[in-house]
Amino acid sequence: EAGVTQFPSHSVIEKGQTVTLRCDPISGHDNLYWYRRVMGKEIKFLLHFVKESKQDESGMPNNRFLAERTGGTYSTLKVQPAELEDSGVYFCASSKQGIYGYTFGSGTRLTVV
Amino acid sequence: DQQVKQNSPSLSVQEGRISILNCDYTNSMFDYFLWYKKYPAEGPTFLISISSIKDKNEDGRFTVFLNKSAKHLSLHIVPSQPGDSAVYFCAASTTSGTYKYIFGTGTRLKVLA
Repeated sequence: EAGVTQFPSHSVIEKGQTVTLRCDPISGHDNLYWYRRVMGKEIKFLLHFVKESKQDESGMPNNRFLAERTGGTYSTLKVQPAELEDSGVYFCASSKQGIYGYTFGSGTRLTVV
Repeated sequence: DQQVKQNSPSLSVQEGRISILNCDYTNSMFDYFLWYKKYPAEGPTFLISISSIKDKNEDGRFTVFLNKSAKHLSLHIVPSQPGDSAVYFCAASTTSGTYKYIFGTGTRLKVLA
């Protein structure tokens, strides 16, 4: 079984530019999550999709972040325009049965300069 | 306001000895707890979990203990092996409503050969 795939693995962009991160969950996993770890701190929840619907987006920092999951398959997280404080590692995870131990991808390290 | 706290940023243990990683939480609504292990440049990997109806869960060398009255959980690794060297994250959630995890800041475990 293929794991959760994220790309790019690294992205360096200038402040004000746009970046789009992509996540391919494990096939058959209806639940997809985005998390972010900033500067070695805790891993923070951003949002949760069930199929193509946003179940919980309470962790999205502001309206510069837009997440989509078209057709209930892969998901994208767009940051526009990027700010310095958006730097961090963005993790995607998926699960079949909701809360019980989801599988994380390797993350995308975003650096905004 | 950090609801899940891992107060020890790092821990060093001799190979073959016991590693004990601690985690405290403040929200009494949490009823499901997990430990994840993370190697550099990889995503967190699920290790073990425990429901609030139990006070202990064991899986091979890994045991998680939950003390609900103290709002404290711990992960015991016996015997510790050099391959266990990683960052360990404690996470908490509720089984009702949203499936999001609240993570601690992590404890870096180094097992010395």
